[in-house]
Amino acid sequence: DAGVIQSPRHEVTEMGQEVTLRCKPISGHNSLFWYRQTMMRGLELLIYFNNNVPIDDSGMPEDRFSAKMPNASFSTLKIQPSEPRDSAVYFCASTWLGGELFFGEGSRLTVL
Amino acid sequence: QKEVEQNSGPLSVPEGAIASLNCTYSDRVSQSFFWYRQYSGKSPELIMSIYSNGDKEDGRFTAQLNKASQYVSLLIRDSQPSDSATYLCAVNTGGGADGLTFGKGTHLIIQP
Repeated sequence: DAGVIQSPRHEVTEMGQEVTLRCKPISGHNSLFWYRQTMMRGLELLIYFNNNVPIDDSGMPEDRFSAKMPNASFSTLKIQPSEPRDSAVYFCASTWLGGELFFGEGSRLTVL
Repeated sequence: QKEVEQNSGPLSVPEGAIASLNCTYSDRVSQSFFWYRQYSGKSPELIMSIYSNGDKEDGRFTAQLNKASQYVSLLIRDSQPSDSATYLCAVNTGGGADGLTFGKGTHLIIQP
């Protein structure tokens, strides 16, 4: 299996622009998670989906952030408008029935 | 609010010695506990999971859990330079595929 696939790996954008991060979970996994990692705050859970349904989005920082999972093999995390404080590494991870959590390589976002 | 606390380090250990990493958690109903290793610029990878009180050994790694004290530890025997990384403690309160709460990690340096 190719593992969890994220794109883009690196994104540099200007404040106010829309950013869309993409994730393809491991085939057969039914849970998908979006995390954000910074030096100051560590790994923070933003939102997770079970069977494509958002279960808990309490970690989403504010209304500028939104996430969708239209089908079992694809999810997006969108930031609109982006701000410099959104600069971080965003990880997508997937699992099957609460088993081992597999992470993608991450998307490093820099907002200027 | 669920909290997972770790000493950020760096923890410096001579090659061949035992490295001891510690973690405390705040939520008493936590059921599942994990140790992830993260190399610089890479994604976290699972190295150990533990669910019941006591010790669990896997090769050079031993995880220890004490639910009464809300304490988890990871021992690395015969430390190697390749063990140099950040070690993240993660806790899951639910039995299902709820998101993991991560500590900020301990930076471990194995000195040759």
